[in-house]
Amino acid sequence: SQTIHQWPATLVQPVGSPLSLECTVEGTSNPNLYWYRQAAGRGLQLLFYSVGIGQISSEVPQNLSASRPQDRQFILSSKKLLLSDSGFYLCAWSEMGRNSPLHFGNGTRLTVT
Amino acid sequence: SQQGEEDPQALSIQEGENATMNCSYKTSINNLQWYRQNSGRGLVHLILIRSNEREKHSGRLRVTLDTSKKSSSLLITASRAADTASYFCATVLLSGSARQLTFGSGTQLTVLP
Repeated sequence: SQTIHQWPATLVQPVGSPLSLECTVEGTSNPNLYWYRQAAGRGLQLLFYSVGIGQISSEVPQNLSASRPQDRQFILSSKKLLLSDSGFYLCAWSEMGRNSPLHFGNGTRLTVT
Repeated sequence: SQQGEEDPQALSIQEGENATMNCSYKTSINNLQWYRQNSGRGLVHLILIRSNEREKHSGRLRVTLDTSKKSSSLLITASRAADTASYFCATVLLSGSARQLTFGSGTQLTVLP
């Protein structure tokens, strides 16, 4: 069966520090991979999307970047965090196709102080 | 603006009662999906209903879709305390790809024992 791992679960970082969140998927090949951000009490905002190694689509211009160095690894990064980067970050994967549901990791709660 | 919006924003019921949540959207869709999120965790996919379907069941869950009214409902029958969670609808546009899954702001369901 497929599993998705996302870490760390919580992170407190000072403004201006770098960020690296990692997500890995097991039990499937060539998944679509996603990074979402969720503000408190709100829906999810798609940040990045990837259909393959090295292929990243950015949905929202911001202080963040994403990379996919391996087929089942997706990394969210920032060189310098802003206060506004605080939030709940979720990684997800899906099979190809519009009728494929998303499978989410357990999220990372990021607090920028 | 949000493609999908859930109603009500919050719902509190007694264990054993039925819970109904609604979702409205603005643009023609390929499919509509419902997800559940326990506090501080990732989202879990519940049901996907395609635009040519009117009703789907999964255990105690029933989803209906009315494309003429651009609305969907999620019914949870015989609710349990463990059903306490936030429920989100998400839509894929008719001309969209899997990455264009747009989430609403969610309904917070509380089931009282």
